[in-house]
Amino acid sequence: KAGVTQTPRYLIKTRGQQVTLSCSPISGHRSVSWYQQTPGQGLQFLFEYFSETQRNKGNFPGRFSGRQFSNSRSEMNVSTLELGDSALYLCASQKQGYNEQFFGPGTRLTVL
Amino acid sequence: SQKIEQNSEALNIQEGKTATLTCNYTNYSPAYLQWYRQDPGRGPVFLLLIRENEKEKRKERLKVTFDTTLKQSLFHITASQPADSATYLCAPSSGSARQLTFGSGTQLTVLP
Repeated sequence: KAGVTQTPRYLIKTRGQQVTLSCSPISGHRSVSWYQQTPGQGLQFLFEYFSETQRNKGNFPGRFSGRQFSNSRSEMNVSTLELGDSALYLCASQKQGYNEQFFGPGTRLTVL
Repeated sequence: SQKIEQNSEALNIQEGKTATLTCNYTNYSPAYLQWYRQDPGRGPVFLLLIRENEKEKRKERLKVTFDTTLKQSLFHITASQPADSATYLCAPSSGSARQLTFGSGTQLTVLP
């Protein structure tokens, strides 16, 4: 069974631009969560989607948004990029009824 | 506010010894606690989950304990190998664990 895939793996943007990251969960997993990882703040929860609905949201500004499609694939968008948005963005999928999350390899975003 | 502390940012041990990692939490009443392993530039990988009514859980060379009175979990790797070198993250969870909150992690280095 294929794991969680994320595209692109690396991205370089400049301040003020916007970016869209994509995540394909493991087949059969309907929950997709997004996390931001930085050296200073560690792994922080952004939001979680299930059946195209956002169920949980972390403490991030409205510039961070996401969505989920009917095939469970998810995208997250960051608008008006700031230098501090440079991070590894991870998505994780979860099978309903189970607690463990399966993470993708992440997208390394660098904002210049 | 909820707080998760993992012992020392870095832990070096000799190959063959037992590594013991600590996860302490405050202002939490987790129903279970998960441990993940993360290698540089990669997403975390689920290792073990222990529930509040379980004192100990084992998987091959890994052992996890959970003391809800002390609000602490210990993660042991016996007969450690250089391949065990990674950052280990704990995540106490309640409810459905869709929104994981991670500790800052302990970077373990097993020296040959």
